[in-house]
Amino acid sequence: DTEVTQTPKHLVMGMTNKKSLKCEQHMGHRAMYWYKQKAKKPPELMFVYSYEKLSINESVPSRFSPECPNSSLLNLHLHALQPEDSALYLCASSQVSGGGVGGELFFGEGSRLTVL
Amino acid sequence: DAKTTQPPSMDCAEGRAANLPCNHSTISGNEYVYWYRQIHSQGPQYIIHGLKNNETNEMASLIITEDRKSSTLILPHATLRDTAVYYCIVRGYGGATNKLIFGTGTLLAVQP
Repeated sequence: DTEVTQTPKHLVMGMTNKKSLKCEQHMGHRAMYWYKQKAKKPPELMFVYSYEKLSINESVPSRFSPECPNSSLLNLHLHALQPEDSALYLCASSQVSGGGVGGELFFGEGSRLTVL
Repeated sequence: DAKTTQPPSMDCAEGRAANLPCNHSTISGNEYVYWYRQIHSQGPQYIIHGLKNNETNEMASLIITEDRKSSTLILPHATLRDTAVYYCIVRGYGGATNKLIFGTGTLLAVQP
């Protein structure tokens, strides 16, 4: 199994809603990532988890709250989002959190979020 | 900040080799060169990576210059399905250098 599965594929939410994006991998990877991608732009790193602990937060607003319940799962909790937060949210995993052997990231297909 | 420079777009004829250049003149000794691609509306896909030696796998070849300041990704026989944005990324091991930061990439259009 070499897949990273993200659910839901599409999500529409209002600015007062609370929702969550989910990501799952069964490759035994110990690093997991969230990226945000706006249309026609490259992916932007948001968070990195290494061994289930948050290791990097790229100054992401607190309305985005990541959670790593176990080594296979990664959630992104969304609350009080703004329309400009509408984007494709990508999850990825890798064996290790650094470059070199085992550092290649495997990405999911993304969750497309629309905030009304 | 992205540490690489790539042309914004390139064309390639189907069946021909696609050679995608990348400049990374400030690369440091512990940083690897990674290539990813993103086909429209899909997640990025890992292609290949290298440190200083040339590398080849079933998807592509990576040629890194001796001074490591630039590299070329080679798709030996491009097909229409290879049309995508190709990202060249430098990434270290440990500390702040281990982030995988995407630059603007090269849009490769394979023409029939």
